[in-house]
Formats: sequence, structure tokens, C-alpha cells
Amino acid sequence: AQSVSQHNHHVILSEAASLELGCNYSYGGTVNLFWYVQYPGQHLQLLLKYFSGDPLVKGIKGFEAEFIKSKFSFNLRKPSVQWSDTAEYFCAVNPRDSNYQLIWGAGTKLIIKP
Amino acid sequence: GAGVSQSPRYKVAKRGQDVALRCDPISGHVSLFWYQQALGQGPEFLTYFQNEAQLDKSGLPSDRFFAERPEGSVSTLKIQRTQQEDSAVYLCASSFSGGSTGELFFGEGSRLTVL
Repeated sequence: AQSVSQHNHHVILSEAASLELGCNYSYGGTVNLFWYVQYPGQHLQLLLKYFSGDPLVKGIKGFEAEFIKSKFSFNLRKPSVQWSDTAEYFCAVNPRDSNYQLIWGAGTKLIIKP
Repeated sequence: GAGVSQSPRYKVAKRGQDVALRCDPISGHVSLFWYQQALGQGPEFLTYFQNEAQLDKSGLPSDRFFAERPEGSVSTLKIQRTQQEDSAVYLCASSFSGGSTGELFFGEGSRLTVL
């Protein structure tokens, strides 16, 4: 079965530290890839997405993600985190042979210490 | 409002009761999704509507779950004879087009607790 794995369920960092959240998926075909974020008390919202082209994708608030096809990975990065980045981050994969199905990871809770 | 609205935000039901959860998507959005999110997990697909047509209900866990979107806008997820394992956050999301190429806009969810 298709699945999405997020390696860390909880991450705690200090402000200004660099961030990398892992995301791996199991699907051999072509995919669209997404990162969504849920800030405390808010709804899920799109952070960035990859459909094709440059495998390094830039999103809002200084986040970026790199698609490495050979590793089936789409890791999220930010060079210097802020306290306001405290949130839960979800990776999601859409197999292109399904035009609407999204398979979600379990999420990573990120806490930034001020 | 401009976003996806879900009600109620919180629902406590006794086992065996029926519940109805409402989703009011962004006006003009064609696609509407229901997801179930258990504690510590990512969203799990329940069902998908394109306008009023329910194109996929393969994620509904049992025949106690029923969803409708009769006029292609507001949708209701109904759970009959609730069980404790139905306790979860139920998320509604809408999209201007099909979910794969469009951004999904989520509501804040309805948290169901079955006692």
C-alpha cells in the first residue's frame, strides 16, 4: 500500500537553528508533493508544493523543500527558524494516476524555544 | 466568511447516538473532501465530491457513515450509531478544481468525542 513516512514526530529547536524535516513516500510512479502546516489553533494550510521542474521548491515564510526522486524523499528545510514556526507540519503525496487522492504522513510537531 | 467553515467545532456524543457534521466550503469551489484525523495521525481520506456528485466514498469506514452535498455547496457528514472508535477530528477541505493540481483549503475541523 502507498504510504508517507515522516521520520520525527516531535522536534524541538532553539530560535535561529536550522531545520530539516524528513518525508519519504512509497510509490513508484509520478507524484505531486505537498507540505502543509497547522499553526496552534488554526486550520491546515499549504506551505509549498512540487509538481514538476526544479526539484528545489520555495514556499512561504522562508521554507523550501527538495524532491530527490531516487530517494523518494521530499524534505522540508529552513535555514533559521523563528518562534512563530512552532506548528505541526504534514507531508502529503498525490499519485498522478489519481487526480485527487492525497496520502498524508503522520505529521511532525515542531516546537521552537524562544 | 472567506474560508471553509465547519460546525460544530466540538461534539460529544453517547455511544449509539447519531451525529451530523456540517461543512460550508469556499463559494465556487467545485471539489469537497472529508477527512478523518485520529490523534497523532495525519488526515485519512473519507470521501470526495465534485459539485453534488459523490465520486469516491471508498474511505468511509462503514455503512454507518454517510455524506451528502445535495446542491453542490454545503456538505453534511452523518455518522449513525456512533462508536468509540469514531472519536476523531473530521476535516473538510475544498478546492477550486480537482485536489491534485489545486490547493486544498481546510476548515478548522469538528472534534467528535464518543463516550
